[in-house]
Formats: sequence, C-alpha cells, structure tokens
Amino acid sequence: DTEVTQTPKHLVMGMTNKKSLKCEQHMGHRAMYWYKQKAKKPPELMFVYSYEKLSINESVPSRFSPECPNSSLLNLHLHALQPEDSALYLCASSQTRVTGELFFGEGSRLTVL
Amino acid sequence: SQQGEEDPQALSIQEGENATMNCSYKTSINNLQWYRQNSGRGLVHLILIRSNEREKHSGRLRVTLDTSKKSSSLLITASRAADTASYFCATDGGTSYGKLTFGQGTILTVHP
Repeated sequence: DTEVTQTPKHLVMGMTNKKSLKCEQHMGHRAMYWYKQKAKKPPELMFVYSYEKLSINESVPSRFSPECPNSSLLNLHLHALQPEDSALYLCASSQTRVTGELFFGEGSRLTVL
Repeated sequence: SQQGEEDPQALSIQEGENATMNCSYKTSINNLQWYRQNSGRGLVHLILIRSNEREKHSGRLRVTLDTSKKSSSLLITASRAADTASYFCATDGGTSYGKLTFGQGTILTVHP
C-alpha cells in the first residue's frame, strides 16, 4: 500500500469554526509533513514530524495546530482561520526525514469564508 | 529566499515532441528531486538525483545536475497528452532535516 489518504477532500469553514484535517499512511513511514499550496504557487512547508515528534515548524501561526497521535496518523487542527488561509493542504510522508522521496496525499481544499 | 527557480514558467508543445524544463537553486544540496502535479491534485515523485550524480534516467525522463552552476534540467522525451501537468524541482538545502523546498514550477501543456 503506497498511499497517503487525506480527509476531507473539501472543507468550507467560517472564521470562528474549529475543524481538523486528517492524514493517514500505512507504509511504515516515520516522517510526515504538512504543506500549504496556494493557487499557481509551489507547496510551502508548514510542519515536519519525525518519529511522532514535531521537528520543524516553519513559523506557522498558532491558529494551525498539528498533532501526530501515532506513526500512521497526522492531524492539522484549524481554529479562527482567516480567508487568506484558503488553500490546498497537502500531507506527505517519507521513510525517514533523510530519505528524500515524499509520498503525497491528494490534498484537502480548504475555503475560509 | 526561494530555492529552486524554474524556467520556463509555461511550456506548450505537441504530442511526440520533447520537453525540457530547467531549475536553478541557491544553496548546497544533498539531492534534488522532481515532482509532477496534475491540476489540483497531489504531487507525484518522478526522480531523485544525488549531488554526486550528473545524470539519471527513468523511462522517458532524463535529469541532469550541474552543482557548479547550481542547476538541473528535466527532459521528457516523446511527450504524451497525459504528461500535461505542473512540474516542480525540490531541494533539501544541504541539510538532513527533511526540509524540502519547491521551485516555482513549470506548467507543461502537451497538445494531442
């Protein structure tokens, strides 16, 4: 199984809502990532988890809160978002942080009203 | 500063022609990778080339790396309409932290 599954595929939320994005992989990978991608732009790294510990936070605002409950799951909790946070949120995994190749999910398209 | 600037920004060709995309980067690297993204979908890894390699092939893909010029190129031979996508190079900044930075991308359109 070489798949990274993200849910939901689409999410619309108001600025006062609390929602979560979920990501799951069963490849035994020990590194997981959140990227944010705006239209016609490259993905931008948000967070890196390595062996279930947060190893990189790219100065992401606290309204985005990542969580790695176990080696297969990665969540991104969303609270008090702004319309400019509307984007495609991509989850990825790799064997470890240093092995290079990332496996991406199909993304969760978020719209903040 | 943004690692990985790609050239051209957009490329339009006919089926059967070759497509060449270039990537320049600013810092040292351990490896450079190329990814493909179909519109609004996730990214798919195409090929990884290490800093001590100069050329690598995978099917219809040929990647070159010139670390002295801090540049790489991706050649897709005998292109197909299904190759229509955005192509991104990605670099690790010479670290082992898992921080992969993507270039601006090239939008490739292959006309049947």
